[in-house]
Amino acid sequence: ETGVTQSPTHLIKTRGQQVTLRCSSQSGHNTVSWYQQALGQGPQFIFQYYREEENGRGNFPPRFSGLQFPNYSSELNVNALELDDSALYLCASSPPGDPAGEQYFGPGTRLTVT
Amino acid sequence: QKEVEQNSGPLSVPEGAIASLNCTYSDRGSQSFFWYRQYSGKSPELIMFIYSNGDKEDGRFTAQLNKASQYVSLLIRDSQPSDSATYLCAVNGDDYKLSFGAGTTVTVRA
Repeated sequence: ETGVTQSPTHLIKTRGQQVTLRCSSQSGHNTVSWYQQALGQGPQFIFQYYREEENGRGNFPPRFSGLQFPNYSSELNVNALELDDSALYLCASSPPGDPAGEQYFGPGTRLTVT
Repeated sequence: QKEVEQNSGPLSVPEGAIASLNCTYSDRGSQSFFWYRQYSGKSPELIMFIYSNGDKEDGRFTAQLNKASQYVSLLIRDSQPSDSATYLCAVNGDDYKLSFGAGTTVTVRA
């Protein structure tokens, strides 16, 4: 167990709806990154939050947005859901000042869009 | 955008043998290299990281890095059935954004 928690575990939504996924980082970790993992592929970087600011973004459209709170927990919001958004959404936290950039993943949220 | 390629699987090895996993990356600025293990239906678990050329050993796992060749590998010695999983190679630069390969699935035959 990494100490990173995510909720909910599973979610089923309809195309066009909106969804919010939540992540609590490991104690003492101030950086949170979100990834999307489609079946049979490696995780794809969505964005990263550091001290409540977006600190980089991958190749995802603006309907993917996020927040980080003062306690370093984070949310991922996806608007106007599409069928291709069906995936495992992973949150990872990183300790401060770690030059190796280790990231520790939570259990993930499995999103199904029908 | 960093490109990360892993040898295509699946890789099947007998119990007790060595499993060898390979990974190449395109960005010469990459600084840190990671191996994650992912069991079916679970999230990735960090098993090794390396950021200097050479070998790094941790138990039955050895990571090898050659920055000149832009190549990183993972050896699993004395493979056990519990090692059956997908192994993901990941790299990053001077930030915390990881780029992953597609993974290599390993099956250890009892």
